Amino acid sequence: DAKTTQPPSMDCAEGRAANLPCNHSTISGNEYVYWYRQIHSQGPQYIIHGLKNNETNEMASLIITEDRKSSTLILPHATLRDTAVYYCIVRDDRGSTLGRLYFGRGTQLTVWP
Amino acid sequence: NAGVTQTPKFRVLKTGQSMTLLCAQDMNHEYMYWYRQDPGMGLRLIHYSVGEGTTAKGEVPDGYNVSRLKKQNFLLGLESAAPSQTSVYFCASGDRGLPNQPQHFGDGTRLSIL
Repeated sequence: DAKTTQPPSMDCAEGRAANLPCNHSTISGNEYVYWYRQIHSQGPQYIIHGLKNNETNEMASLIITEDRKSSTLILPHATLRDTAVYYCIVRDDRGSTLGRLYFGRGTQLTVWP
Repeated sequence: NAGVTQTPKFRVLKTGQSMTLLCAQDMNHEYMYWYRQDPGMGLRLIHYSVGEGTTAKGEVPDGYNVSRLKKQNFLLGLESAAPSQTSVYFCASGDRGLPNQPQHFGDGTRLSIL
């Protein structure tokens, strides 16, 4: 079962920051938050992940609240090529799941010119 | 740097036919996974493997079999294809001992069962 809640769709103007929220209120202490995106017809692409500290890489920034119950993915300067479905995933470490990812329906981000 | 390669990219089958989907990775990853994605849905795990010679069931394993005879390859088989198996199939791989490292995905196999 997906352990996250995301809005089904969002839009953003090109060049502006896109802020995608995610709720994961049942996250446990050792579970990481991952973000992937899927551009139409392609395989999911890894963006970023974090445990409790904010993270930044060349693609995006991840802001995790202090209680870890929610997070926000930030694309600082969205482009048309960032139009995709964005998945927020809490990786389940219980038992023998061994890195399995549980995908929900994600957020369809549309960047408009 | 190929990463994860899936073959074929497209296939149309008739009900009852069999076929095998191939996934190959060149990153020396221990873990490999097969997912399916239906329209408007996220990915669902079919089977996975934690190493050569080992496989395990995921969320939706019925109607599929898998084999991991070589570390770099993970095969997904449909013994008797059914229209409900029409889907896009994605393979992924990940590092052993690094559970917080990301999985790497292939570009998918689009399978239609008539």
